[in-house]
Parts: sequence; structure tokens; C-alpha cells
Amino acid sequence: TQLLEQSPQFLSIQEGENLTVYCNSSSVFSSLQWYRQEPGEGPVLLVTVVTGGEVKKLKRLTFQFGDARKDSSLHITAAQPGDTGLYLCAGTNTGNQFYFGTGTSLTVIP
Amino acid sequence: DTGVSQDPRHKITKRGQNVTFRCDPISEHNRLYWYRQTLGQGPEFLTYFQNEAQLEKSRLLSDRFSAERPKGSFSTLEIQRTEQGDSAMYLCASSYIPGSEQFFGPGTRLTVL
Repeated sequence: TQLLEQSPQFLSIQEGENLTVYCNSSSVFSSLQWYRQEPGEGPVLLVTVVTGGEVKKLKRLTFQFGDARKDSSLHITAAQPGDTGLYLCAGTNTGNQFYFGTGTSLTVIP
Repeated sequence: DTGVSQDPRHKITKRGQNVTFRCDPISEHNRLYWYRQTLGQGPEFLTYFQNEAQLEKSRLLSDRFSAERPKGSFSTLEIQRTEQGDSAMYLCASSYIPGSEQFFGPGTRLTVL
């Protein structure tokens, strides 16, 4: 059972377009992480958010943690082919067990 | 240190056989996690170690699965009497302290025929 639902599940866009990926849960998390995973590799951490309402920017990526710490979003501006990959959110309360989302597979077409 | 390594990268086995995977974490990391990931899904937590102690196991970890980290360094995950439903990518991750960044290995892809 995945506690975190991501939408959309698949996304295919043209280079230069903007997009938003959502991560939703009925559970509250003390922190939430976003990862990007490429085929045949393990996930790589992009960002950790810990405060409700927090917004973090990483170049063209903007991450927001919901006020109630149940949801998060990832916005990519001017997507590039190098952004292609599987985007995963993961929440934790204890720092011991991490619950990963269902994933969003992004393809950016040149 | 080149990061978390896993061996083998791919394993094909017949149903009913036993398989063992190895994970070498980043050397100074105390925490080691095992996850299972099926196609199109996010990783699912299996178990984690704090040094050599196995502190938590998921209900997904049936009695056919066993994990060890005997000296608090590398870890092994063994699956006995494999079933076709065990086919998945098995990921290992390590971190320095609880809740900090997890560094993932490349995974072992298991195919059970």
C-alpha cells in the first residue's frame, strides 16, 4: 500500500514547457523528500522539505510542502530533455521508515 | 568512496531457487536500508539496519526473506524458494544519521522464471 499518491503517473511534454507534479497523502509527515530516478539506477535526492508551507528552489525546479504537511508539489520551468526521469516523493515521520509515492514518469521531447 | 554498490546488478533464477544479494554502503554510514521496486512503482520499504542491528522489518518481508549486516558494514539480502512474484528491483540505500539524505545503490534486478 502506497501512502503517497502522485499525479500524473505519466507526463510527456515538449522542451521548454512548464509542468507540475503532485504528491498527496491523507497522512501528515514530518518531512518529505523528492527524488529523481533514471532507468537502471537508484533514486537521487533532489530536496528535503520539513516546514509546512515551505518553498525551495533548485535552479528551474520549485518544491512546495503543503501547509498541513500532507502534500507537496514539484514545478519545473522550461523543461529540458535532461529532466527526463521518474520523479518520486517520499515522506517520513520518524526518519526511520520512508514511504515512497507511486512515481511520475516524465519525458521531455526535444 | 564511490558511493553505494550492489552486486550482482542482474540475477535470473528459476522458481524455487535461493538467491543472495550484497550491498556495500558508503563507509561512514550507520544506516542501511533495503527497498523493493516493481516496474512503474515507487520503492517499498523492506527493512533497515542501524550498524549491525536490524531495527525494523516491513510486513512485505516474509519468512522467505532474511537480511543481515554482521559487522555493521556490508549487508546481504537472501530470498529462499523464490517465486515469480519476487521479480523486482532490489535497492539498497545508506545514510549517516536517521532522516538524513539516503544514498541509493544502482539496484539488483531479479527475474524469477
